[in-house]
Amino acid sequence: GAVVSQHPSWVICKSGTSVKIECRSLDFQATTMFWYRQFPKQSLMLMATSNEGSKATYEQGVEKDKFLINHASLTLSTLTVTSAHPEDSSFYICSAILTSGELFFGEGSRLTVL
Amino acid sequence: QKEVEQDPGPLSVPEGAIVSLNCTYSNSAFQYFMWYRQYSRKGPELLMYTYSSGNKEDGRFTAQVDKSSKYISLFIRDSQPSDSATYLCAMGFGNEKLTFGTGTRLTIIP
Repeated sequence: GAVVSQHPSWVICKSGTSVKIECRSLDFQATTMFWYRQFPKQSLMLMATSNEGSKATYEQGVEKDKFLINHASLTLSTLTVTSAHPEDSSFYICSAILTSGELFFGEGSRLTVL
Repeated sequence: QKEVEQDPGPLSVPEGAIVSLNCTYSNSAFQYFMWYRQYSRKGPELLMYTYSSGNKEDGRFTAQVDKSSKYISLFIRDSQPSDSATYLCAMGFGNEKLTFGTGTRLTIIP
């Protein structure tokens, strides 16, 4: 299957700082990528749809100024958690979709805000 | 009513048993159906991808789609402890976001 790489896999930061997570499609071009958030033992929660060369589309209730998404190329989307607080601690997962409709996920990034 | 319904479990079965995981959905426009396996603290891994109704087999895994009943299934034969994970169903209709089930936690008991 297609490979989606996410970095970093684990990050700890102090409250008030910003953290950037990268999502790369390694062997295909991804016009559309998605960002999810997952709490322990819960399902995926879609945060936003990232479209190459245009603004991201955020799901209801997700603060776009808090979670900045940039999709500057066909192989890279970034999620920046700005002014992070302990309640932002979570597992963030990106995914990229092929034209066939198949969706492939990255390995996930665990964020801990102290 | 949720667009996709999936029994969250947990489901525990003995090693070697056949596992049946199911999802129902309400949107008849869905065309693509997928099953993902997610281990703890890992991103979901695509297991099976099917388009429209029918069966698809891959090793010990069989995916079934019944569009008339709006029902999809994943069967795992000769289950192994390494199959212990959360299984997510997902469906969509093209190059757009998928709709996910809540996931079923499966434990295979040695």
